[in-house]
Amino acid sequence: QKEVEQNSGPLSVPEGAIASLNCTYSDRGSQSFFWYRQYSGKSPELIMFIYSNGDKEDGRFTAQLNKASQYVSLLIRDSQPSDSATYLCAVTATTDSWGKLQFGAGTQVVVTP
Amino acid sequence: EAGVAQSPRYKIIEKRQSVAFWCNPISGHATLYWYQQILGQGPKLLIQFQNNGVVDDSQLPKDRFSAERLKGVDSTLKIQPAKLEDSAVYLCASSLRDAGGYTFGSGTRLTVV
Repeated sequence: QKEVEQNSGPLSVPEGAIASLNCTYSDRGSQSFFWYRQYSGKSPELIMFIYSNGDKEDGRFTAQLNKASQYVSLLIRDSQPSDSATYLCAVTATTDSWGKLQFGAGTQVVVTP
Repeated sequence: EAGVAQSPRYKIIEKRQSVAFWCNPISGHATLYWYQQILGQGPKLLIQFQNNGVVDDSQLPKDRFSAERLKGVDSTLKIQPAKLEDSAVYLCASSLRDAGGYTFGSGTRLTVV
């Protein structure tokens, strides 16, 4: 069974600090990596995707990928109370968006004022 | 651009009853997915359509679940008969090849009592 593992949390982060979320995956054939944010009672919302080793920045979010170590991480800088949500890591074995996504169980982030 | 439409938003049924969910993807999105998300878990793929053909239904419990996508647009997911363990949120998503990741609908929350 190919797995995607995340710490369930909750990860408590002071407002203005950096939240660091980690995700490991077991399928070495994984090619594309996604981070979704899910507010309580809502559907997942795509915030970042990354295909290549290294860092990718988008606003306050940075995704980091290390295929050799089979992990992907998400940094949230200047955390705001509105960032309080569950963050889902997802991977797919294909290089395009048509492949099925394997999701982790998510990490709950709580940003405290 | 209109999002992925799903209905109903909520459904409560007794075990052994049947239920159907409807999804209308984003216009032009050829790929449509149905995911099941049990409370506290990440979404799990049930079935993937490419136009009106099934690409992957390996995790669909075919003895009770069925799905169809008429004319490559709308899709319906049916459960008959429902079990208590089918209580979950059923998420529909669609994707466009170059978009990276996909867009989820608001989901249908099913409670089986």
